[in-house]
Amino acid sequence: KQEVTQIPAALSVPEGENLVLNCSFTDSAIYNLQWFRQDPGKGLTSLLLIQSSQREQTSGRLNASLDKSSGRSTLYIAASQPGDSATYLCAVEYGNKLVFGAGTILRVKS
Amino acid sequence: DADVTQTPRNRITKTGKRIMLECSQTKGHDRMYWYRQDPGLGLRLIYYSFDVKDINKGEISDGYSVSRQAQAKFSLSLESAIPNQTALYFCATSGAGTGANVLTFGAGSRLTVL
Repeated sequence: KQEVTQIPAALSVPEGENLVLNCSFTDSAIYNLQWFRQDPGKGLTSLLLIQSSQREQTSGRLNASLDKSSGRSTLYIAASQPGDSATYLCAVEYGNKLVFGAGTILRVKS
Repeated sequence: DADVTQTPRNRITKTGKRIMLECSQTKGHDRMYWYRQDPGLGLRLIYYSFDVKDINKGEISDGYSVSRQAQAKFSLSLESAIPNQTALYFCATSGAGTGANVLTFGAGSRLTVL
């Protein structure tokens, strides 16, 4: 069964800290992996998409890595800000199916 | 205006009632999806459609049905709602072709079944 797990389930950090969110997947035959951000009362916003042939993608203070062989991805957030507080979801694409993790709830304290 | 619009945003109903959640998009995408989100479980796929004449079951389609009325419209129906269908429902769209699918999500429809 294709499963996606995110650790930790929740994280609280002081403003300015660098942090890492983890995503693991059981089936390494992926097409791509995406990281999403979800704000309360709003839909999901795609942050980064890593193709299966890529090792990492960067956007501003965000950097996502992919290691297919170990079934892992990390989302690195540099110099965290209170506005980064949200739920972060990892999703792995297998063919025509996207399998989501349960998400990490991030709170950045000012 | 939002690229993907869901109505209603919130709905409270009673067990046994028929409910329809509607989704419309201005992205021009062929592919549309319905997901439900429950605490601690992430998003799970209910149904998806790759064009107007294509309907496919997702991993949790029991108790749900869908209709793809047009390229831009995809509705989700609960014929007889039950309490364990209380959840946050998301519609999403994407362009054609695997390997580069960036989903665009609606803001969600929160359904409570009493």
